[in-house]
Amino acid sequence: EAQVTQNPRYLITVTGKKLTVTCSQNMNHEYMSWYRQDPGLGLRQIYYSMNVEVTDKGDVPEGYKVSRKEKRNFPLILESPSPNQTSLYFCASSPTGGYGYTFGSGTRLTVV
Amino acid sequence: DAKTTQPPSMDCAEGRAANLPCNHSTISGNEYVYWYRQIHSQGPQYIIHGLKNNETNEMASLIITEDRKSSTLILPHATLRDTAVYYCIALNAGGTSYGKLTFGQGTILTVHP
Repeated sequence: EAQVTQNPRYLITVTGKKLTVTCSQNMNHEYMSWYRQDPGLGLRQIYYSMNVEVTDKGDVPEGYKVSRKEKRNFPLILESPSPNQTSLYFCASSPTGGYGYTFGSGTRLTVV
Repeated sequence: DAKTTQPPSMDCAEGRAANLPCNHSTISGNEYVYWYRQIHSQGPQYIIHGLKNNETNEMASLIITEDRKSSTLILPHATLRDTAVYYCIALNAGGTSYGKLTFGQGTILTVHP
């Protein structure tokens, strides 16, 4: 089944403790992206990648890192999480960058 | 990418057509119009996209005005499962922002029994 898999689905962590949210897609898509969703602010893009080793900042990249060493994986790294990074996170992939993005099921992160 | 404007909310009776408008008066010639929807807290789902011709797929129809300044997403026979937030996005398919899909506030569509 074609899908984008994020892990974990839920995560509660403490301020400053490094964490990684994994994202993997099995559709051989070139484009991958991370979004966060907050009440009243909608979906905001954090980072996106147009291919292996090619990444670029979205609208809210501060406090996040990404890497794209393989086509299928696009992990989101929070080196020192803070409470304002408490949010619902979505990973997505697309064959072309606009058409037909497939989103993962989301990761609900709470930083205390 | 062009800014889009959508009504914050709309209602529709089950079984009737839902017509969701979107204004994109500053859209440029190479920007496509994309529609996505998000049901509750699930990941957004791609619906349809178009450049200047009307488009139809198994989910919906997209009507783009001749001047491309606005469009309408049509769900021909709305069901309760179509209750969701619908996002209209204008995206330059070949520009430097390719891949930078920006979501606005969208339209909350509520389908009533």
